[in-house]
Amino acid sequence: DTGVSQDPRHKITKRGQNVTFRCDPISEHNRLYWYRQTLGQGPEFLTYFQNEAQLEKSRLLSDRFSAERPKGSFSTLEIQRTEQGDSAMYLCASSTAEGIYEQYFGPGTRLTVT
Amino acid sequence: AQTVTQSQPEMSVQEAETVTLSCTYDTSESDYYLFWYKQPPSRQMILVIRQEAYKQQNATENRFSVNFQKAAKSFSLKISDSQLGDAAMYFCAYRSAKIGKLTFGTGTRLQVTL
Repeated sequence: DTGVSQDPRHKITKRGQNVTFRCDPISEHNRLYWYRQTLGQGPEFLTYFQNEAQLEKSRLLSDRFSAERPKGSFSTLEIQRTEQGDSAMYLCASSTAEGIYEQYFGPGTRLTVT
Repeated sequence: AQTVTQSQPEMSVQEAETVTLSCTYDTSESDYYLFWYKQPPSRQMILVIRQEAYKQQNATENRFSVNFQKAAKSFSLKISDSQLGDAAMYFCAYRSAKIGKLTFGTGTRLQVTL
């Protein structure tokens, strides 16, 4: 059973550019979550999906951020017109939707905006 | 809104000794779950232990145990027989039974010394 994978692991971009990250959840998990973690802080929730449906979005998710999970499997998180404040680790997690549904995290994508 | 507070930014413990990490939370709900996650340096976050709020018995996982005080809204983690591999950031997290997202504290960095 493979874990949650994220691609790329590191991304350096210039301010104003668009970036897209991918997350592949554990295969039998129908829930997928995105979090953002800045240095020295705990992860902050961004959004989550159950299958294809986006069930909740944080106010942190500005209009420049969009997430999709078109076929209920992998998900993408796109940031348009990146700003230096977007520099962070972007974490993906997945879970089932039953019981306590523990969330399993991927290794993250570290974004640096120069 | 739920909040999670970890008041100890850093802790240190000698190998083979016991250490307790503190966590308090604020919620108006009665049905929820609490978690401790471990994040080693440059490695992904892994679940250490979980506690269902409706259970009075404190959870244990090998050398890890919790002291869950529901009335006081306290959820501390005790690590017994500390090992060098326990060195990491530890995050306390809360999840309502109604919704999927995790709310994290700011973390406690644990150092393990010889």
